[in-house]
Amino acid sequence: ETGVTQTPRHLVMGMTNKKSLKCEQHLGHNAMYWYKQSAKKPLELMFVYSLEERVENNSVPSRFSPECPNSSHLFLHLHTLQPEDSALYLCASSQEEEGYNEQFFGPGTRLTVL
Amino acid sequence: GQNIDQPTEMTATEGAIVQINCTYQTSGFNGLFWYQQHAGEAPTFLSYNVLDGLEEKGRFSSFLSRSKGYSYLLLKELQMKDSASYLCAVKDSNYQLIWGAGTKLIIKP
Repeated sequence: ETGVTQTPRHLVMGMTNKKSLKCEQHLGHNAMYWYKQSAKKPLELMFVYSLEERVENNSVPSRFSPECPNSSHLFLHLHTLQPEDSALYLCASSQEEEGYNEQFFGPGTRLTVL
Repeated sequence: GQNIDQPTEMTATEGAIVQINCTYQTSGFNGLFWYQQHAGEAPTFLSYNVLDGLEEKGRFSSFLSRSKGYSYLLLKELQMKDSASYLCAVKDSNYQLIWGAGTKLIIKP
């Protein structure tokens, strides 16, 4: 595997379900990100892990819970979601340093909440 | 607040040239990125500007004017495969990326 991978690619869940999204980066980067992408809206940064420490984002509802067990893996745990949470969830990684640090994106998980 | 503005949609003809504009108002500036995103796929990096001027990379060029809070992406010799969304993003004073909503580019034969 190369680059950034995400599983599953598609997920349909009910509002009472619990599921997890997985992201893995094979680039040796030290920062990982979760984004939410809704139609015709800017990418919304949800969480950042830099050197395996989470940068808080107070605007994300608590029904989204990230986990970063090591610098290569990132999870997004989902529970009691709402229909408005339906979106494309993108994971990205980068080499954290001042100045230029291009983010590499995974293919995303298309989430539908019924 | 922080804001990135770019047109929602543009249409161009195969073989022609198109310019996609991006204006920004952010708390600090540490570089501007352009990404391409085909429908159903991940965004991929196109260009990075941190100093004023034009950066050329094959058929794609990106321009930056920091004093005007303005950038554009220039695509030459358009091909059908260039049909995609083009995302402008600015790195702010905290080195976080602030994203525009993207410009959907439609190429017609």
